[in-house]
Amino acid sequence: SQTIHQWPATLVQPVGSPLSLECTVEGTSNPNLYWYRQAAGRGLQLLFYSVGIGQISSEVPQNLSASRPQDRQFILSSKKLLLSDSGFYLCAWRWGRGLKGYTFGSGTRLTVV
Amino acid sequence: ILNVEQSPQSLHVQEGDSTNFTCSFPSSNFYALHWYRWETAKSPEALFVMTLNGDEKKKGRISATLNTKEGYSYLYIKGSQPEDSATYLCAFNAGGTSYGKLTFGQGTILTVHP
Repeated sequence: SQTIHQWPATLVQPVGSPLSLECTVEGTSNPNLYWYRQAAGRGLQLLFYSVGIGQISSEVPQNLSASRPQDRQFILSSKKLLLSDSGFYLCAWRWGRGLKGYTFGSGTRLTVV
Repeated sequence: ILNVEQSPQSLHVQEGDSTNFTCSFPSSNFYALHWYRWETAKSPEALFVMTLNGDEKKKGRISATLNTKEGYSYLYIKGSQPEDSATYLCAFNAGGTSYGKLTFGQGTILTVHP
């Protein structure tokens, strides 16, 4: 069966510090991968998605970047965090074809202070 | 920008009540409509993926209907239980080369009181 791991669960970082959140999927190959964020009082917003190794698409301009160095690994990064980067970050995967829903990771609560 | 709206924003019901909420989405370029349940301290969990106009799906006491022509879906919970308390999210999947990207509504927060 397929599983998705996301870490860390919580993170408190000072403004201007770097960020690296990691997500890995097991039990499948060539998944579509997604990073979503829920800011305070708002819905889930798609940040990045990837349909293959090294292929990253950004949905909104921002202070963050994503990378997919391996088929089942998706990393969210920032060189210098802003206060506005605070939020709840969710990684998700699904097969590229078919009509199954997403499977989400457990999320990371990021607080930038 | 795709507009997906859910109503109400929050709902308080008593155990045993039946309830329903609404998701409205664009009626053009439709591919699929997803429903998720998001319990506190857990990951969102997929409930239904719906594609056909007039479709109705059921999972236990929860069911959903879909109207793609007018752009809305209803989620129904029959005989609500405290364990149904969660945020219910709908998400729109556009057609074409959308790569499975979903546009989520803001969710309906359901609280079921014993």
